[in-house]
Amino acid sequence: QKEVEQDPGPLSVPEGAIVSLNCTYSNSAFQYFMWYRQYSRKGPELLMYTYSSGNKEDGRFTAQVDKSSKYISLFIRDSQPSDSATYLCAIGGAGKSTFGDGTTLTVKP
Amino acid sequence: EAQVTQNPRYLITVTGKKLTVTCSQNMNHEYMSWYRQDPGLGLRQIYYSMNVEVTDKGDVPEGYKVSRKEKRNFPLILESPSPNQTSLYFCASSLEAGTSYNEQFFGPGTRLTVL
Repeated sequence: QKEVEQDPGPLSVPEGAIVSLNCTYSNSAFQYFMWYRQYSRKGPELLMYTYSSGNKEDGRFTAQVDKSSKYISLFIRDSQPSDSATYLCAIGGAGKSTFGDGTTLTVKP
Repeated sequence: EAQVTQNPRYLITVTGKKLTVTCSQNMNHEYMSWYRQDPGLGLRQIYYSMNVEVTDKGDVPEGYKVSRKEKRNFPLILESPSPNQTSLYFCASSLEAGTSYNEQFFGPGTRLTVL
């Protein structure tokens, strides 16, 4: 079993839609929960990170962590064509990082 | 410009021919790491380094070596490459990797093909 399982997608939504991206993890020892965005032919870039259960908001993006059920989510409000990318969830701690396989999102104008 | 650079960006080689992929960062970061990305398997950590002369295995270290003699450089060495090491490789760095999270900055990637 993988340490991080991510909803595979791909997802295709119309512009303006709310997008929900989801992951589950198995190792409760990890302390940090991250979401990265990766555009085609580029390296991943950090979108958001959090330490604790609950919600963290940054503009149109909300990261949600539920440690009791080992579930992490990323919500994108008012999605834009520029949000089209692959989104990677990750868990980490003490130098190690484990990533989900990624969900490819396409936002159509 | 603050960045992580990798060289080469593209490499086609043959089985058994030793190669090195270089990684360099200009942000004075303590932590550096190597990942490989494969379809269906995602991004997997190969090795990481918490500081100069300190390296540790990630999830898929077999067939790879690393060294961290200087803070800015973290080369990935494939002593005897095999076709199953064909992949997209990313180097990343962050300010530190201790008790608080620090954002990892990723390089542009190196696409390696081993024939």
